[in-house]
Amino acid sequence: DQQVKQNSPSLSVQEGRISILNCDYTNSMFDYFLWYKKYPAEGPTFLISISSIKDKNEDGRFTVFLNKSAKHLSLHIVPSQPGDSAVYFCAATVTSGTYKYIFGTGTRLKVLA
Amino acid sequence: SQTIHQWPATLVQPVGSPLSLECTVEGTSNPNLYWYRQAAGRGLQLLFYSVGIGQISSEVPQNLSASRPQDRQFILSSKKLLLSDSGFYLCALWTGRNTEAFFGQGTRLTVV
Repeated sequence: DQQVKQNSPSLSVQEGRISILNCDYTNSMFDYFLWYKKYPAEGPTFLISISSIKDKNEDGRFTVFLNKSAKHLSLHIVPSQPGDSAVYFCAATVTSGTYKYIFGTGTRLKVLA
Repeated sequence: SQTIHQWPATLVQPVGSPLSLECTVEGTSNPNLYWYRQAAGRGLQLLFYSVGIGQISSEVPQNLSASRPQDRQFILSSKKLLLSDSGFYLCALWTGRNTEAFFGQGTRLTVV
């Protein structure tokens, strides 16, 4: 049972354009959502997060949008840079519980110079 | 700030051999600790998590086990490795002060 899904395994974007990575979840108990960036042979690094009480959170070039009714979140990167090329994972958790982080399958982003 | 140490970075083990991966953390007390696995073509699968010494929750039935003998030590073990145990194993922690989890650098395990 995949509670967090990233349906696009890969995405290619031209440098300077917008990258949009999508994530869907099924568990309505999730109340906190996170995006991580991962390079090969390294651990994921935290990028940005959003609480379920918000619908948008912005940090520099990165913005996360949350649509609770659709159980959907997205990460926007504007403008995209070649250094953004990595695998991006979305994750979700229930903050009133044991903080068990459930991850999606990841989207490999390639930013073309 | 917290630090996660995982070793070894890479490991090649024959089928049927035992496994012990160690994760130690610094800079925090009483963290939640997690073992994740990234298998080829798959996402980050939560294997085990621990909220304290001796407390282990298993997320998926499998050939692996975990133990937390000390507050800052989390061990992933197997008595007999299978080919399907190959993957990238990641230890993570949650300190309770923030809402994000922090990850170690991982161990690449190849079972041959």
